[in-house]
Amino acid sequence: AQSVTQLDSQVPVFEEAPVELRCNYSSSVSVYLFWYVQYPNQGLQLLLKYLSGSTLVKGINGFEAEFNKSQTSFHLRKPSVHISDTAEYFCAVSENSGTYKYIFGTGTRLKVLA
Amino acid sequence: GAGVSQSPRYKVTKRGQDVTLRCDPISSHATLYWYQQALGQGPEFLTYFNYEAQPDKSGLPSDRFSAERPEGSISTLTIQRTEQRDSAMYRCASSLGTGVGTDTQYFGPGTRLTVL
Repeated sequence: AQSVTQLDSQVPVFEEAPVELRCNYSSSVSVYLFWYVQYPNQGLQLLLKYLSGSTLVKGINGFEAEFNKSQTSFHLRKPSVHISDTAEYFCAVSENSGTYKYIFGTGTRLKVLA
Repeated sequence: GAGVSQSPRYKVTKRGQDVTLRCDPISSHATLYWYQQALGQGPEFLTYFNYEAQPDKSGLPSDRFSAERPEGSISTLTIQRTEQRDSAMYRCASSLGTGVGTDTQYFGPGTRLTVL
């Protein structure tokens, strides 16, 4: 069965600094990978997803992520964060096995400091 | 509708009571998902529907939990004989259903359930 690990529960970073949020997954078959963001009192919304092809995926709000099959990772990065990026970020995986079942990580709370 | 809506937004109930939560997905979406999210955790898969079919119930924690989507649109999640451990945010999401495992999910605001 697949699983997702987000080792960092909280990441504080100063405004305009770069940030990387880590995500590792485990699966016995090929996977699709997602990053979702949750702003306070809102539902989750998609930042970006990797389905196939180029391992570097660009998403909304200047975020990007790189799929690394050998390291089973899908880390999220942004070169310069803004106060408005303060939110909770969830990594998710689904298996290429004919199911709509998605597994989410426990989330990383990004706190951008002025 | 314009987005996924859920009702009620907050529900407080006493242990042993039954509760029903409602999800109204985006109207063009075939697939609907239910998740349970405990405080400080990520959403945990409960079940999903393709139209009215429910191919995967594997995430439902016990037979006290059931979900329906009788006409392929609105869905309800019912928890019978609630227990304190059922306290959580219950999230609904929907997607077009065109890509198995690849769909973008659109989430509702959630229902915060508190069992006293």
